[in-house]
Amino acid sequence: GQNIDQPTEMTATEGAIVQINCTYQTSGFNGLFWYQQHAGEAPTFLSYNVLDGLEEKGRFSSFLSRSKGYSYLLLKELQMKDSASYLCAVGDYKLSFGAGTTVTVRA
Amino acid sequence: DAMVIQNPRYQVTQFGKPVTLSCSQTLNHNVMYWYQQKSSQAPKLLFHYYDKDFNNEADTPDNFQSRRPNTSFCFLDIRSPGLGDAAMYLCATSSGAGGPTDTQYFGPGTRLTVL
Repeated sequence: GQNIDQPTEMTATEGAIVQINCTYQTSGFNGLFWYQQHAGEAPTFLSYNVLDGLEEKGRFSSFLSRSKGYSYLLLKELQMKDSASYLCAVGDYKLSFGAGTTVTVRA
Repeated sequence: DAMVIQNPRYQVTQFGKPVTLSCSQTLNHNVMYWYQQKSSQAPKLLFHYYDKDFNNEADTPDNFQSRRPNTSFCFLDIRSPGLGDAAMYLCATSSGAGGPTDTQYFGPGTRLTVL
């Protein structure tokens, strides 16, 4: 089975940087995904990590350490539209999701 | 544009009255999933189809059934909805190949209200 933990809420100021941590315990690991979900909407894919290290995609970066069962999503130059829930998920074609971290960006 | 479509977006049903939610995709993906998501909780996988092969999660109640008549369409049937079944139901698809290209694409969801 999978056990995925992430903080419930985070608040940051527009233009700042926020790091969302995710720890997981899994019987098998095939990859880690980050999804963004705005309130009342479907999740949308942000990033994927399968090897240790940092993957950068514009303002968003994701890091993975398989030995530690740890990942983080880094959001830089925060914008108001980044206010959303960020879901960490582990698996391959079948995913187990964390409960999500609600990020609130304040002006 | 290729996409995942869910109908209806909002569904209101009465306690115990059967309801069917539909999902269609133009991505030609092999795998279709149904998730249940309650407020501030993780999406919970109910079942998925890999092509025609149906895979039920161990803790999915018998009250939930699914049909996939062809590659493009998948239905979620709730035989006797209870108050605890009120949630957002998300349909997703993926190629099933695994790896970085095998992200799941989600539909907009159907919000079910049970009166």
